Amino acid sequence: AQSVTQPDIHITVSEGASLELRCNYSYGATPYLFWYVQSPGQGLQLLLKYFSGDTLVQGIKGFEAEFKRSQSSFNLRKPSVHWSDAAEYFCAVAGGSGYSTLTFGKGTMLLVSP
Amino acid sequence: GAGVSQSPSNKVTEKGKDVELRCDPISGHTALYWYRQRLGQGLEFLIYFQGNSAPDKSGLPSDRFSAERTGESVSTLTIQRTQQEDSAVYLCASSLQEGRYNEQFFGPGTRLTVL
Repeated sequence: AQSVTQPDIHITVSEGASLELRCNYSYGATPYLFWYVQSPGQGLQLLLKYFSGDTLVQGIKGFEAEFKRSQSSFNLRKPSVHWSDAAEYFCAVAGGSGYSTLTFGKGTMLLVSP
Repeated sequence: GAGVSQSPSNKVTEKGKDVELRCDPISGHTALYWYRQRLGQGLEFLIYFQGNSAPDKSGLPSDRFSAERTGESVSTLTIQRTQQEDSAVYLCASSLQEGRYNEQFFGPGTRLTVL
């Protein structure tokens, strides 16, 4: 069965600094990977996804992620963090019947300091 | 256009009572998913529907949990004889079709508290 690990429960970054959120996955075949963001009181929003091809994928809000098969990782990055980026971030892998269901990591809470 | 909506937004119930949670997907979306998010945990898959059928209900934690979908639209998640461990945020998502290529759009969730 597939699984996703996000090793950092909380991360604090200064506004304007760069950000990297870690994600490791376990999956027997080609993974289909996603990053979602959950802001307080709001539903999850898709930031970006990786299916195949270029291992560096661009998403919304200036985020990008790099797929590294050799490390089973799909880390999320942003060059300069804004206070509005404070939220919880979830990495997920598609699996199950028809690859329709998502298996999520436990999330990383991003705090942005002035 | 309108996104996924869920009702109620909050539900407080007593242990042993039954509860129904409702999800209205985006119009035209044929696939609908239920997830559960317990405090400090990631989202756990519960069940998904393609049309009115449920190809995968493997995530339902016990036979106290059931779900149905009618008219390829609204879905109801029912929890019978609620227990304190059922306290969580229940999230619904919908997508145009089932499958990994179809983005899942999430609703705001229903926060269930079992006293």
